[in-house]
Amino acid sequence: NAGVTQTPKFQVLKTGQSMTLQCAQDMNHNSMYWYRQDPGMGLRLIYYSASEGTTDKGEVPNGYNVSRLNKREFSLRLESAAPSQTSVYFCASSEALRTGLAGGWTKNIQYFGAGTRLSVL
Amino acid sequence: DQQVKQNSPSLSVQEGRISILNCDYTNSMFDYFLWYKKYPAEGPTFLISISSIKDKNEDGRFTVFLNKSAKHLSLHIVPSQPGDSAVYFCAASGTGTASKLTFGTGTRLQVTL
Repeated sequence: NAGVTQTPKFQVLKTGQSMTLQCAQDMNHNSMYWYRQDPGMGLRLIYYSASEGTTDKGEVPNGYNVSRLNKREFSLRLESAAPSQTSVYFCASSEALRTGLAGGWTKNIQYFGAGTRLSVL
Repeated sequence: DQQVKQNSPSLSVQEGRISILNCDYTNSMFDYFLWYKKYPAEGPTFLISISSIKDKNEDGRFTVFLNKSAKHLSLHIVPSQPGDSAVYFCAASGTGTASKLTFGTGTRLQVTL
């Protein structure tokens, strides 16, 4: 059981180049997420997909696009890479939307991939 | 505006002693809190969680305490082991925010021999 798999693990781009980060999960999870981690900033949400066929912006979506290809796969695309996008990118998945305390909530834990280290020169 | 804060960037503890990692939050809509552990060159892994209807949750050597009135939670590791050396992230989610998590900036724990 691989969990969440990200490819590639490392990538170096020149400013203006484009690339797609791939993410696949084999846990039959409904929700998937893309984060970036920068020194001193923690993990910040770029985009998420609550369920197959839906995507929404997170905290830092500018310069990125996403595609929820099917239930398993969620890709992140950089159309024109900039040095400010140098970061470590993590994909995550979770079982379902949480329902909230009023309706009883689900323990909705996110599971992460190993990350993609991207440098934009 | 940092809604989840981990004010200690690093902590050093001797093996066998207690490690206490702290986290503060400002958003009163947060009602579910998680701790993640991260080793270098790996993704974060889930450690323990707590809902706002509880004030304590225990799992082996790990205990999380929640003080809602102070908007504060802490992770206790007893006894600390060298393998616990990692970066620990606090995260929170709230009703109506789907499954989105808001993370703190992390605390690097070093357990020394």
